[in-house]
Amino acid sequence: GEDVEQSLFLSVREGDSSVINCTYTDSSSTYLYWYKQEPGAGLQLLTYIFSNMDMKQDQRLTVLLNKKDKHLSLRIADTQTGDSAIYFCAESKNTDKLIFGTGTRLQVFP
Amino acid sequence: NAGVTQTPKFQVLKTGQSMTLQCAQDMNHNSMYWYRQDPGMGLRLIYYSASEGTTDKGEVPNGYNVSRLNKREFSLRLESAAPSQTSVYFCASDESGGIDEQFFGPGTRLTVL
Repeated sequence: GEDVEQSLFLSVREGDSSVINCTYTDSSSTYLYWYKQEPGAGLQLLTYIFSNMDMKQDQRLTVLLNKKDKHLSLRIADTQTGDSAIYFCAESKNTDKLIFGTGTRLQVFP
Repeated sequence: NAGVTQTPKFQVLKTGQSMTLQCAQDMNHNSMYWYRQDPGMGLRLIYYSASEGTTDKGEVPNGYNVSRLNKREFSLRLESAAPSQTSVYFCASDESGGIDEQFFGPGTRLTVL
């Protein structure tokens, strides 16, 4: 994932909000995604946003996209211990392939 | 529906040995993918198949071969395993690539000694 960068770790207290950040380099990306990987499992799609949108909200999840700065963020409200996982952002350019970031390990402590 | 299944779950090889990782999906998806996951490097695409009968190289294809046996199955072969191929391997599939959600298998953890 050299085109998509994320910080490796984030630690938050249960009940607080988590914000996971991602930067990408290709301004022609059409869709941007957030995937979640729980321990010992494959990735599962959490949410996605079209590149012509600034924000998307889905229950506890809020995705913000700043195209000018090529910055994507995922906010998880009221973070729970079950949210502990690795979160990957990914970009797509209307091709067959996704480009994944390095992943951010979210740890939620009581 | 089982989704995407992979076998085996774990494998230990000696340098130079060969093996094939199996992947199957029951969602009638056209596109299938093989990724490897290494600490601090995220997922890197090894090979993909946009449709039955076609395969293309991804970011890190060296040392691997693939076969799209039919629409359901996509296998990954290591002809002569090297320690650098120690990794977790994921198979994924989607309807037609691009914007579609990719569905992932549970992964194969491979160690090459």
